[in-house]
Amino acid sequence: GNSVTQMEGPVTLSEEAFLTINCTYTATGYPSLFWYVQYPGEGLQLLLKATKADDKGSNKGFEATYRKETTSFHLEKGSVQVSDSAVYFCALSDSQGGSEKLVFGKGMKLTVNP
Amino acid sequence: GAVVSQHPSWVICKSGTSVKIECRSLDFQATTMFWYRQFPKQSLMLMATSNEGSKATYEQGVEKDKFLINHASLTLSTLTVTSAHPEDSSFYICSASSLSVGYTFGSGTRLTVV
Repeated sequence: GNSVTQMEGPVTLSEEAFLTINCTYTATGYPSLFWYVQYPGEGLQLLLKATKADDKGSNKGFEATYRKETTSFHLEKGSVQVSDSAVYFCALSDSQGGSEKLVFGKGMKLTVNP
Repeated sequence: GAVVSQHPSWVICKSGTSVKIECRSLDFQATTMFWYRQFPKQSLMLMATSNEGSKATYEQGVEKDKFLINHASLTLSTLTVTSAHPEDSSFYICSASSLSVGYTFGSGTRLTVV
């Protein structure tokens, strides 16, 4: 079945540092890939997504590229801010919505210090 | 954008009582709703998948008689934790999904059973 493996952390960075969170997946078909962010005490918010190979998702300075050859969808940000402190989840689905379930990685907690 | 309202955001109940959590899609019709439980260290566990008007599909290991899911309409699903015990204390998150909107998450419910 489908699965997602991501860095688990926790990770602590200083403000303006470069961030990479690795995510690799296993899937039988051509899944859609997602990054979700969870701020303390809240639900999950979609950060970005990509639906086909070589697509790049981007939002709020974060980027991730759908790499089918390496089955990866690594999240990057060039300069993190204190407000980026949160838990980040990589996920995949066989569709962009509907009845197909999302499969999540275990999440990675990021703390950014001033 | 798509909004999912989840209530209550937190609840404290006595051991042996039942608690109902509501999940509403406010501005779209959800083909499917998903219920997750989040454990310490952020791991997300899919509990069940429900489609409007049909019985929920529970993941392996989830007690369907304990976690009752009702999906009465395309905009409302409820999770009832019956005869709650302290080990049921957790953070519960719903997600509403459609092909046009994708996956949208509620803000979560913190359940504490005393």
